[in-house]
Amino acid sequence: EAQVTQNPRYLITVTGKKLTVTCSQNMNHEYMSWYRQDPGLGLRQIYYSMNVEVTDKGDVPEGYKVSRKEKRNFPLILESPSPNQTSLYFCASWGDLRGEQYFGPGTRLTVT
Amino acid sequence: LAKTTQPISMDSYEGQEVNITCSHNNIATNDYITWYQQFPSQGPRFIIQGYKTKVTNEVASLFIPADRKSSTLSLPRVSLSDTAVYYCLVGAPGSGGYNKLIFGAGTRLAVHP
Repeated sequence: EAQVTQNPRYLITVTGKKLTVTCSQNMNHEYMSWYRQDPGLGLRQIYYSMNVEVTDKGDVPEGYKVSRKEKRNFPLILESPSPNQTSLYFCASWGDLRGEQYFGPGTRLTVT
Repeated sequence: LAKTTQPISMDSYEGQEVNITCSHNNIATNDYITWYQQFPSQGPRFIIQGYKTKVTNEVASLFIPADRKSSTLSLPRVSLSDTAVYYCLVGAPGSGGYNKLIFGAGTRLAVHP
């Protein structure tokens, strides 16, 4: 089954404790992206990747890092999480140039 | 990236046809129009995509007039399960700008019994 998986689905952590949210897709897609969704603000893109070792900033990259060492994986790294990063995070991938994106189930992160 | 404008919310009843219009006055020649659906606490799901005239699939139709400055997503005979947020996106496939997608606030559709 074609899918995008994210782990963990729920995470509660404390300020400053480094964390990684994993994202993996099994569709051999070249493009991947991370979004955060907050009430009233919609979906905002954090980072995206066009291929292995090729990434670029989205609209809200501050406080986040990403890496793309393998085609299927695109982890999101929060080096020093802060409460304003409490949000619902989605990973997406797409391969067709027309850009139909496949989204993961989401990761709900709470930083206290 | 073309800016899009959609109604914030809409209400409908089961069995009715729902039309959601999106304005994109500064759409570029290479831009496609794509619609996504999102249920609470789930990732958006692709519904339909088009460039001009009319596109139809098993769940929706997309109408795009000749000037392409707007588009209308048509959902036939909606049910309660169609209650969701619907996003209109405009961009050019393959370009850096298209990879950097902007979802906007979307249209919150509520279907009533």
